[in-house]
Amino acid sequence: GEDVEQSLFLSVREGDSSVINCTYTDSSSTYLYWYKQEPGAGLQLLTYIFSNMDMKQDQRLTVLLNKKDKHLSLRIADTQTGDSAIYFCAETPNSGGYQKVTFGIGTKLQVIP
Amino acid sequence: SAVISQKPSRDICQRGTSLTIQCQVDSQVTMMFWYRQQPGQSLTLIATANQGSEATYESGFVIDKFPISRPNLTFSTLTVSNMSPEDSSIYLCSVRTLGPFLYEQYFGPGTRLTVT
Repeated sequence: GEDVEQSLFLSVREGDSSVINCTYTDSSSTYLYWYKQEPGAGLQLLTYIFSNMDMKQDQRLTVLLNKKDKHLSLRIADTQTGDSAIYFCAETPNSGGYQKVTFGIGTKLQVIP
Repeated sequence: SAVISQKPSRDICQRGTSLTIQCQVDSQVTMMFWYRQQPGQSLTLIATANQGSEATYESGFVIDKFPISRPNLTFSTLTVSNMSPEDSSIYLCSVRTLGPFLYEQYFGPGTRLTVT
């Protein structure tokens, strides 16, 4: 079945860049997402990328996709204390209908002032 | 986008009892889902809530344990029945809406359930 893997924890200093990595197994994955979950809150959709793209940039966020290696990364530039949260990688083969979205376990990002 | 509210936000319940969680969306959506997020684990899809018909359950989840209602396009409930400590978890309501490029999935704030 589908599987999405992430490291559990990342610690960075404020102002540095953070890179959160994710690998997936489903070769038919078409849409890949990054979600952010702050303490006590639900998941917030941060960004997404289509499998026919290599990179997507949105302000401080850069998503890189290596489809050959099934590797997805989220880079946060100039990391702030407000970026401390759990980041979930997710994938689905098709964004429409009732296609199941598979989530990773989440990477907890700790930003040190 | 969609704004989702859930009630209650948290609860502590005794084993053997049942809890009903409510989910309200600020706009009509076609697809509503219920997820469980256990500590240190990934999100697990419990079921898809279908309007006016029985929910579609994922493997390992059954209607008797997690009855779901969806009377209209903006509201759904999930009941956790005959609870045990293993049901302690965060339960998340989620909806999928059509964005500018693809379907986007949004989540409610979650209901944190502790069973003693």
